[in-house]
Amino acid sequence: DGGITQSPKYLFRKEGQNVTLSCEQNLNHDAMYWYRQDPGQGLRLIYYSQIVNDFQKGDIAEGYSVSREKKESFPLTVTSAQKNPTAFYLCASSIQGVMNTEAFFGQGTRLTVV
Amino acid sequence: SQQGEEDPQALSIQEGENATMNCSYKTSINNLQWYRQNSGRGLVHLILIRSNEREKHSGRLRVTLDTSKKSSSLLITASRAADTASYFCATDAIRRGQGAQKLVFGQGTRLTINP
Repeated sequence: DGGITQSPKYLFRKEGQNVTLSCEQNLNHDAMYWYRQDPGQGLRLIYYSQIVNDFQKGDIAEGYSVSREKKESFPLTVTSAQKNPTAFYLCASSIQGVMNTEAFFGQGTRLTVV
Repeated sequence: SQQGEEDPQALSIQEGENATMNCSYKTSINNLQWYRQNSGRGLVHLILIRSNEREKHSGRLRVTLDTSKKSSSLLITASRAADTASYFCATDAIRRGQGAQKLVFGQGTRLTINP
């Protein structure tokens, strides 16, 4: 089945650790996105990528890093510089940008700092 | 920064009633989309309306767009308990000179349908 897969579903991080969230899609989409969602809140854009080997900062990029070495994959690293990383992280993809196209979302990764 | 603002933040109605949610945005757009999110899950696309369209239907959903007021509404008719979810509007945000586009979401409306 075509789709977008995030892993793991739950992730626990100790203070000072970097962790990487996986996002893979087999939809042949050019564009991929990472969003953060806090309880009862909307989605805030962390990073987005329109093409392989290129990505742009979103509204809350500090403390996060990404790479786009393959079209199918857009991993997000939450670094120790992110002071409040506990949140629900959502990855999405779309055919080419968002001009008149819908975004497809993964099921999310819930990250908790312990 | 959030482009869209949904209203109300929460809505609770009886099964069978209609539910109306509103979204306002700040800048010019090419399209506006509505998404649904069940608790703890990813978002699912419901409907997309282009800036040159005023109304669009999909099953029990009706979306309107008023670009002069920078607002949109989502109407769910004959609501069912399974419609209980959060609903988000999203707009594209094209920035001059950057070329890349991004999808910007509002805060969402939490809809509860009581059986």
